[in-house]
Amino acid sequence: EPEVTQTPSHQVTQMGQEVILRCVPISNHLYFYWYRQILGQKVEFLVSFYNNEISEKSEIFDDQFSVERPDGSNFTLKIRSTKLEDSAMYFCASSVWLAGVGELFFGEGSRLTVL
Amino acid sequence: EDQVTQSPEALRLQEGESSSLNCSYTVSGLRGLFWYRQDPGKGPEFLFTLYSAGEEKEKERLKATLTKKESFLHITAPKPEDSATYLCAVHGGTDKLIFGTGTRLQVFP
Repeated sequence: EPEVTQTPSHQVTQMGQEVILRCVPISNHLYFYWYRQILGQKVEFLVSFYNNEISEKSEIFDDQFSVERPDGSNFTLKIRSTKLEDSAMYFCASSVWLAGVGELFFGEGSRLTVL
Repeated sequence: EDQVTQSPEALRLQEGESSSLNCSYTVSGLRGLFWYRQDPGKGPEFLFTLYSAGEEKEKERLKATLTKKESFLHITAPKPEDSATYLCAVHGGTDKLIFGTGTRLQVFP
């Protein structure tokens, strides 16, 4: 069964360092998302991406965050200068249609620990 | 503001003891309500999407129903492997899903 894959599964970094989280969405999907989940809290929307541009972003997704689809398969989330409060599980997701019209599939997540 | 509230926060069941999880929502124009299962340290695993009041979907021991204000996830004769956190999320008029805090289900043999 096709799945969303994410790397790394766990990354530890020092505050102020840049981090890139990588995702390979399901191959025929057109919409891509990043969500995050701070330990013990809700899953929160960060950004959606369609047709090589951001279609929506949340208040969390400030200038420190960026997304890119550098080739036909990868989808990346970059955090330019990490803060302690960026420590969370980051989930990539993809769907054939815009979320809500069909199924949204999540990857296993990348755990980011900022020290 | 779109909002999702799940109850109870935690539920302990004996194997075979059926029960229901509740998801109450307020959203301006529901375009879909989602149920996911999440195991510790893992990503949400898609279970169901419901689109309109009165709709029902089933998968093995799980059945999801939807009204205009809430959704229920019914678990019939649960097994220990059904132990997980069950997440409800809604899609309103934007790209994003709004998630609830989840119900942590433990099923004991």
